[in-house]
Amino acid sequence: GAGVSQSPSNKVTEKGKDVELRCDPISGHTALYWYRQRLGQGLEFLIYFQGNSAPDKSGLPSDRFSAERTGESVSTLTIQRTQQEDSAVYLCASSVTGGDTEAFFGQGTRLTVV
Amino acid sequence: GNSVTQMEGPVTLSEEAFLTINCTYTATGYPSLFWYVQYPGEGLQLLLKATKADDKGSNKGFEATYRKETTSFHLEKGSVQVSDSAVYFCALSARGSNDYKLSFGAGTTVTVRA
Repeated sequence: GAGVSQSPSNKVTEKGKDVELRCDPISGHTALYWYRQRLGQGLEFLIYFQGNSAPDKSGLPSDRFSAERTGESVSTLTIQRTQQEDSAVYLCASSVTGGDTEAFFGQGTRLTVV
Repeated sequence: GNSVTQMEGPVTLSEEAFLTINCTYTATGYPSLFWYVQYPGEGLQLLLKATKADDKGSNKGFEATYRKETTSFHLEKGSVQVSDSAVYFCALSARGSNDYKLSFGAGTTVTVRA
């Protein structure tokens, strides 16, 4: 595709349910990032994939959060037993090689936990 | 670890005013520095970048110079327009360390009034 695609664009879920967010990066981009943006706040790093290297999971806030990436393709971010504080926009970005190459962002998934 | 501190907003200006948004950083390795912008209703996009000391990034009338001696990357524009209203994020990634991920500042909301 032409850009980074995220789905769904909006998700409303009940507290305690699991949710899965999807990111389709730009073809050929080896680096993929997930960030969380709470209302009116900055970008909080969650996880970073770079090629076949072990992902940098240092930003995942708890063991309820996990992410996978299939090769250099699709990534899914899973949040188990959602809590109200998980409500935020979840942003995915990809770049050619990571580091100082430009990161292209998707439109995000707005998650609301009720 | 790597971190970015940027001027808190919100910032409100009149058209044709001069804009400065301060950004300072802490990093190991050899950081590359970025400014990303988020226009209302749109995704984040790269505004400009600089990959080594004394480099100047520029785009759309905005400029920022990589100052290693002051660990700063302040964003400036000499004459803002209403269309510059957006949230601006300073970011870095650091080669030469294990921390290649993009680290973002908290963002600065800029509103330009006609």
